Amino acid sequence: KNQVEQSPQSLIILEGKNCTLQCNYTVSPFSNLRWYKQDTGRGPVSLTIMTFSENTKSNGRYTATLDADTKQSSLHITASQLSDSASYICVVSELRDYGGSQGNLIFGKGTKLSVKP
Amino acid sequence: EAGVAQSPRYKIIEKRQSVAFWCNPISGHATLYWYQQILGQGPKLLIQFQNNGVVDDSQLPKDRFSAERLKGVDSTLKIQPAKLEDSAVYLCASSLVRISTYEQYFGPGTRLTVT
Repeated sequence: KNQVEQSPQSLIILEGKNCTLQCNYTVSPFSNLRWYKQDTGRGPVSLTIMTFSENTKSNGRYTATLDADTKQSSLHITASQLSDSASYICVVSELRDYGGSQGNLIFGKGTKLSVKP
Repeated sequence: EAGVAQSPRYKIIEKRQSVAFWCNPISGHATLYWYQQILGQGPKLLIQFQNNGVVDDSQLPKDRFSAERLKGVDSTLKIQPAKLEDSAVYLCASSLVRISTYEQYFGPGTRLTVT
């Protein structure tokens, strides 16, 4: 069964500290992996998207890694800010065909991050 | 560029009542998605449109949920009759094309409470 598991479920850190969120998946065949940030009361906003051949991608203070062999990904947040408080959702896309058509998206439950002053 | 618009933002109804949500995707986006997000969980795809045709509605509870995409632009999602377990945030998203690496842009969602 295709699944995406995220850990930890929730995390509290102090402003300025770094943190790393984990995502393990069993989705096959694999197309790509995305990390989204979802602020309370808002829709998810994309941070990064990585395909099979990419093992790291950065977006400002956010750096995502992907190990397609172990089916693991991480999202590292550097020098956290109060505005980083949100849920971070890992989403894995199934490969539907080699033409790139959109396959099923399997969402994790998210990690709720709270950054305290 | 204007984002995905949804209305209403909040809705409270009693069980067995009907409710409808509206979504206006980003201009020019051919693909439109409706998701259900229950508190503490990730979004679950309900239905996917390509222009005005349904691509995937395998997880839509068709006995009570229906959706349409008028003229391949705006979309409405209806629940009739609502159940307590339908309480959730309903997210609409759109994508330029139905290619897996293309970005999905989400609206702010409609929070439904069924009492």
